Amino acid sequence: EPEVTQTPSHQVTQMGQEVILRCVPISNHLYFYWYRQILGQKVEFLVSFYNNEISEKSEIFDDQFSVERPDGSNFTLKIRSTKLEDSAMYFCASRKSGTSNEQYFGPGTRLTVT
Amino acid sequence: DAKTTQPTSMDCAEGRAANLPCNHSTISGNEYVYWYRQIHSQGPQYIIHGLKNNETNEMASLIITEDRKSSTLILPHATLRDTAVYYCIAPSDSWGKLQFGAGTQVVVTP
Repeated sequence: EPEVTQTPSHQVTQMGQEVILRCVPISNHLYFYWYRQILGQKVEFLVSFYNNEISEKSEIFDDQFSVERPDGSNFTLKIRSTKLEDSAMYFCASRKSGTSNEQYFGPGTRLTVT
Repeated sequence: DAKTTQPTSMDCAEGRAANLPCNHSTISGNEYVYWYRQIHSQGPQYIIHGLKNNETNEMASLIITEDRKSSTLILPHATLRDTAVYYCIAPSDSWGKLQFGAGTQVVVTP
């Protein structure tokens, strides 16, 4: 069964450093998402991406964040200058069509900013 | 998104049916009800969704009241692996943004 994959599973970085989190969505899916979950808190929407552009973003997704689909398979989230408060699990998700909101989530990347 | 209200937690005995309620009294006529779950620290997992008819798949059944103001997710034979936080979501966003609340923590006990 196809699944969303994410790398790395755990990333440790120093404050102020840039990080890139990588996702490979399910191959025939058209809509892509990033969510994050700070330890002990709710899952929060960050950004949605469709047709090679951002379709919606949350207030969390400020100028420090960017997303890209550099080729036909990868979907990346970049944080330019990490802060301590960026420490969280980051989940990528994808869905096939616009008629159903069945989203399939990856296992997540745990980002620790020290 | 329509506001949804779920109990904070519930316990269920292994092998028994787990019935998870959700209130969504402000849901509009074209908003579906989606259920997801999150097993500890894993990515959320889609379970089922419906509009007004009852739905069943290999994981669960979804019963939606006729007035659509509430629904119940049924796990017919709960196993220990069903221990998770279950989320009821009624997204209205055309781009598919999911707004997760606190959900219901379900603990299945032997």
